[in-house]
Amino acid sequence: KQEVTQIPAALSVPEGENLVLNCSFTDSAIYNLQWFRQDPGKGLTSLLLIQSSQREQTSGRLNASLDKSSGRSTLYIAASQPGDSATYLCAVNPSGTYKYIFGTGTRLKVLA
Amino acid sequence: ETGVTQTPRHLVMGMTNKKSLKCEQHLGHNAMYWYKQSAKKPLELMFVYSLEERVENNSVPSRFSPECPNSSHLFLHLHTLQPEDSALYLCASSQAGTANRGEKLFFGSGTQLSVL
Repeated sequence: KQEVTQIPAALSVPEGENLVLNCSFTDSAIYNLQWFRQDPGKGLTSLLLIQSSQREQTSGRLNASLDKSSGRSTLYIAASQPGDSATYLCAVNPSGTYKYIFGTGTRLKVLA
Repeated sequence: ETGVTQTPRHLVMGMTNKKSLKCEQHLGHNAMYWYKQSAKKPLELMFVYSLEERVENNSVPSRFSPECPNSSHLFLHLHTLQPEDSALYLCASSQAGTANRGEKLFFGSGTQLSVL
């Protein structure tokens, strides 16, 4: 059974710091992995999607990497800003299914 | 604005009420999803529809009844709910809806449900 774990559960950093969020999954048979952002009481916004054949994806100050064989992904945020404060979730799509299995998220607070 | 609209945004209902949640997507997608988000738990997939056919039913109690009349609309009919069903219910859609093509999910803002 696929399980997704995110560490740390919460993180507080000063503005301008570079930071790394971690995601691990137990079954490497995935089709893709997505990182999402969720603001309090709101839906999820997809940030980056990495296909299983890819190693990384970049969008602006965000960079996500994927090591499928070791069951790990990282989300790197450069030069963090207070507007980056949110919960970040990763989700994996097991091969051949419609399901996305989500982690419990990392709650990020960037202090001005 | 993600192109996925959910109504109502908030809902309070008694255990004997019947209510429905509505989701509409304006993206031309073929797959739609219901997820449940409870405090301090991962998002749980409830149902998936692909081309209006239910393709996943993730062991959801029968007091939750989904309906997908066309590829743009998805409903979740609720009846005789329990207080532990209180949660944020999220609708999502994706492009092709084929199991072998994992694709980006687009979420609505959710319905915050409270069962008294």
